[in-house]
Amino acid sequence: QQPVQSPQAVILREGEDAVINCSSSKALYSVHWYRQKHGEAPVFLMILLKGGEQKGHDKISASFNEKKQQSSLYLTASQLSYSGTYFCGTEAYGGSQGNLIFGKGTKLSVKP
Amino acid sequence: DTGVSQNPRHKITKRGQNVTFRCDPISEHNRLYWYRQTLGQGPEFLTYFQNEAQLEKSRLLSDRFSAERPKGSFSTLEIQRTEQGDSAMYLCASSPNRAANYGYTFGSGTRLTVV
Repeated sequence: QQPVQSPQAVILREGEDAVINCSSSKALYSVHWYRQKHGEAPVFLMILLKGGEQKGHDKISASFNEKKQQSSLYLTASQLSYSGTYFCGTEAYGGSQGNLIFGKGTKLSVKP
Repeated sequence: DTGVSQNPRHKITKRGQNVTFRCDPISEHNRLYWYRQTLGQGPEFLTYFQNEAQLEKSRLLSDRFSAERPKGSFSTLEIQRTEQGDSAMYLCASSPNRAANYGYTFGSGTRLTVV
């Protein structure tokens, strides 16, 4: 079942913060976050496996709620290089143990 | 390690023709995945391999589509009797093992245009 991402699009000024959400109706084994720039392949950002987990690097971090049905990606003090489309990819319990189902993406535009 | 390599980068074909794409994964990765992406959408799962075994196929993968991974190395995706609806970016990805624990490394994709 495809996860639901929100918002669909965000426009920021450099230095502003953004939050992107990814929700599922089923408990998830894992959530991945990827960023894709126009015309390029998606690039892996991070993976969350544990309920209540938070992780991140630089100014990009993510959380996974206790019920393991929602994850949020936090981008703080955004830079121009953060522009792109962000996808969450999920694997649900009881689903396939081999592949991720991706959301429709959130397009992030960072302006000078 | 040069990452995941896909060829060709672009393919334009006439409706009804057959096309074949190739993916060379990261050499030590056991798992290889094929996804399809259309404009404004996330990648849609097509199929995946664990070494040479094809473990799952999406219902999106009609009988016109076939994929192989001989000897667990590179993989090919063939589309027979192409239709305009097949126009999309075809992405290949690989992972060391179960992607849930490791994450995917994607290739740059093959953009197919069916005219």
